[in-house]
Amino acid sequence: DTEVTQTPKHLVMGMTNKKSLKCEQHMGHRAMYWYKQKAKKPPELMFVYSYEKLSINESVPSRFSPECPNSSLLNLHLHALQPEDSALYLCASSQAPPGPRGVVGTGELFFGEGSRLTVL
Amino acid sequence: GENVEQHPSTLSVQEGDSAVIKCTYSDSASNYFPWYKQELGKRPQLIIDIRSNVGEKKDQRIAVTLNKTAKHFSLHITETQPEDSAVYFCAATMGGKLIFGQGTELSVKP
Repeated sequence: DTEVTQTPKHLVMGMTNKKSLKCEQHMGHRAMYWYKQKAKKPPELMFVYSYEKLSINESVPSRFSPECPNSSLLNLHLHALQPEDSALYLCASSQAPPGPRGVVGTGELFFGEGSRLTVL
Repeated sequence: GENVEQHPSTLSVQEGDSAVIKCTYSDSASNYFPWYKQELGKRPQLIIDIRSNVGEKKDQRIAVTLNKTAKHFSLHITETQPEDSAVYFCAATMGGKLIFGQGTELSVKP
């Protein structure tokens, strides 16, 4: 299984709603990531979990709250979002966590298909 | 700061021609350089990568070259086909993170 699975694929929410995005991988990867991507722009790193612990938070607003219940699952809890938060949210995993000198595990980031979020 | 610059932002070629996309990076300690292809509405997918101990790597019609001294790396696609049309992102590891270039929208005209 070389898949990273994300649900839901599409989500529309109001600014007062609370929702969650879910991500799952069964490749035994120990690093998991949340990225935000606007159309035709590069993915922007939001959070990195390394061995189920939050290791990088790219100064993301607190209305985004990540959670890693176990080594296979990664959630992103959403609350009081703004319309400008509408984007494609990508989950990714890699075999090992980023090292201090920039080694992204042993290589490839595996991306999920993404959850397309619209905030009204 | 951590930066990857990618050029050009758009590239249009005729089917069968070659396409070259170039990236420069700021951190001399960067040691992993992947290239991702993203088709419209799809996830980014790794097409080729190179590590800092290698100068060139080839996989069928795709090749990547790395010049560590100049801190730049390039993607070469030969014999382009319409299905090569997509947005291509280069990336480099910096400070424990993968930093992406701004992307190149490649259009291959039949």
